Amino acid sequence: GESVGLHLPTLSVQEGDNSIINCAYSNSASDYFIWYKQESGKGPQFIIDIRSNMDKRQGQRVTVLLNKTVKHLSLQIAATQPGDSAVYFCAENPPNSGYSTLTFGKGTMLLVSP
Amino acid sequence: ETGVTQSPTHLIKTRGQQVTLRCSSQSGHNTVSWYQQALGQGPQFIFQYYREEENGRGNFPPRFSGLQFPNYSSELNVNALELDDSALYLCASSSGREAFFGQGTRLTVV
Repeated sequence: GESVGLHLPTLSVQEGDNSIINCAYSNSASDYFIWYKQESGKGPQFIIDIRSNMDKRQGQRVTVLLNKTVKHLSLQIAATQPGDSAVYFCAENPPNSGYSTLTFGKGTMLLVSP
Repeated sequence: ETGVTQSPTHLIKTRGQQVTLRCSSQSGHNTVSWYQQALGQGPQFIFQYYREEENGRGNFPPRFSGLQFPNYSSELNVNALELDDSALYLCASSSGREAFFGQGTRLTVV
C-alpha cells in the first residue's frame, strides 16, 4: 500500500524499548483528544482517548498524558513491538463543533526494529 | 475491523469530472464524517452528517457535497475535479465522541 509517512517526523526504536510520541494541539478550549494509529494503506485506527478533565489515561501497553498548560499530548507505548510500526496522529475535538469532528496533528512515523 | 466500509477502494478520474464515494457506517452509528488525507499529511475534516443533515463543515469549497441516507450510510460527491483533489478520502462513523474510520478511497485525478 502507499505510504502515509512521507516527510513526517520519525521515531526509530528497538523492539522492547518504550516509545514516546509527542503532539502539540492548537485550541486551548478543546476538551477531547484521541490518538490514532495509521498503517500504510489503511484508515486511522483508534488507540486511546482522553478528556480535558484528566491528565493521564492508561490502556493496554499505552498511556496518554495531557498537559493543558502547554497544549501538549504524549503517547507512551510500553515494550514496543514491530507491529507498532505505523504513523501516529493526535486529534482534538475543538469547541463548538460536532462530536467526532476532529482536527488532526501532522503525525509521527514510528519505526520499530526487531 | 471497525465495521465502517467504503467503496470503491481505488479510483482514477480525469480533471473536470465528477465522483461519488460511498460509506456504510457501523451499525447503530448515526453520525458520519468525511476527511481528506493528502499524502504525508493528517486527515482534514470536510463535513459531518447527523441524522441526514449536514451539521458541520470544514474549509472545503461547495463542489464538495454530501448526503446521508435513512440507514445512516453516506455519499461524498466532488464536482469539477482538480488535480489537487487527489488524496485518500476517509469516512468515520460515530454515535458519541469516538470516531471509527473506514479504510478509505484512494482517488487519483489525472
